[in-house]
Amino acid sequence: GQNIDQPTEMTATEGAIVQINCTYQTSGFNGLFWYQQHAGEAPTFLSYNVLDGLEEKGRFSSFLSRSKGYSYLLLKELQMKDSASYLCAVSAFEDGGSQGNLIFGKGTKLSVKP
Amino acid sequence: DGGITQSPKYLFRKEGQNVTLSCEQNLNHDAMYWYRQDPGQGLRLIYYSQIVNDFQKGDIAEGYSVSREKKESFPLTVTSAQKNPTAFYLCASSIPYRPMNTEAFFGQGTRLTVV
Repeated sequence: GQNIDQPTEMTATEGAIVQINCTYQTSGFNGLFWYQQHAGEAPTFLSYNVLDGLEEKGRFSSFLSRSKGYSYLLLKELQMKDSASYLCAVSAFEDGGSQGNLIFGKGTKLSVKP
Repeated sequence: DGGITQSPKYLFRKEGQNVTLSCEQNLNHDAMYWYRQDPGQGLRLIYYSQIVNDFQKGDIAEGYSVSREKKESFPLTVTSAQKNPTAFYLCASSIPYRPMNTEAFFGQGTRLTVV
């Protein structure tokens, strides 16, 4: 089966750095995505990792270790508008299959305080 | 502009009635997905389709049905068999093939309330 775990809630201070972790167990791994979702809205794409290492994109960075089944999203210079849920999603292919499927974690609700 | 459109944004249904949620995309994506989100929860997969005329059950397919007669369209029917249908429903599409995977693009969602 497939399983994705992330913390339910986190709180951080404006201007600080926060790291949101995600662990996963899946077969046929073909990449890990991070999405941001504000309440009542659709998720928006933040980052994609398919190889081990760090991907940096402005204030946001995402790291992947495939051998450990582990990823994190790093948010720097936190702003109030970063208060949202952050969803970790894994793309996985079934055995022998050629087409993938997206499985989402439950999301981490981040609250940024002044 | 390319995108994925869900309609309606808000939907009210009487208990015992079936209702169909629309999802249309003009991104030329092969894969389409339906997710359900409950308050404070992540996205749970209802159904997905990798190609026209084919679809697969996700984790919570009971009480739902779908069709994929056209590449652009993937409507979801919430049937009276779904015991707790009040939720936020999200449709998404992507290009799922090896080795290049792409992110999923989401519609704006339909909030269904059973009254």
